[in-house]
Amino acid sequence: GAVVSQHPSWVICKSGTSVKIECRSLDFQATTMFWYRQFPKQSLMLMATSNEGSKATYEQGVEKDKFLINHASLTLSTLTVTSAHPEDSSFYICSASATGQGGYGYTFGSGTRLTVV
Amino acid sequence: QQQVKQSPQSLIVQKGGISIINCAYENTAFDYFPWYQQFPGKGPALLIAIRPDVSEKKEGRFTISFNKSAKQFSLHIMDSQPGDSATYFCAARGAQKLVFGQGTRLTINP
Repeated sequence: GAVVSQHPSWVICKSGTSVKIECRSLDFQATTMFWYRQFPKQSLMLMATSNEGSKATYEQGVEKDKFLINHASLTLSTLTVTSAHPEDSSFYICSASATGQGGYGYTFGSGTRLTVV
Repeated sequence: QQQVKQSPQSLIVQKGGISIINCAYENTAFDYFPWYQQFPGKGPALLIAIRPDVSEKKEGRFTISFNKSAKQFSLHIMDSQPGDSATYFCAARGAQKLVFGQGTRLTINP
């Protein structure tokens, strides 16, 4: 089945630094990737949608200059949290979709726990 | 209109029992309704999904019931096992994006 690899699984960084999270589709070409944020005991909140080779589309209220998304290839998308602050600490999850998956398949990565100290 | 409302927030079921989680939506343009299972510290994993032209879909112990006129759908877990203890999310797809319900924390007591 479709596999999405997300790295790192956890990261601790100092306030003011930047952190990059990678999301790779291992056995299919992801035409669209999604980035979510999940706070403890809460649901997944969509941050942005990115299509390969295009600029990401951010959801309302998400700072695009703070959460930089790059989808340079059909198998890789990255999320960079710039100038991270403690309030950015959260669980970040990517998801990849390919039109070949019947147009409906969404495969999720295993998530990245970000802690900003 | 983009919301998906999920209930209950938490559920405790005895081993071997039936777990039932319900979701309701407003947007009739939603065209795909998946259920995800999430364990702590992990990403969601697809359990089962249904399209609105089908009223029921069964895969093993998991069944989705879909009521298009009521704009409601539910997940039934038969013969619930302790390993089913997890958080479950319903979702609905609209404009290529998934909208998630609030989640149900399911505990199966042995």
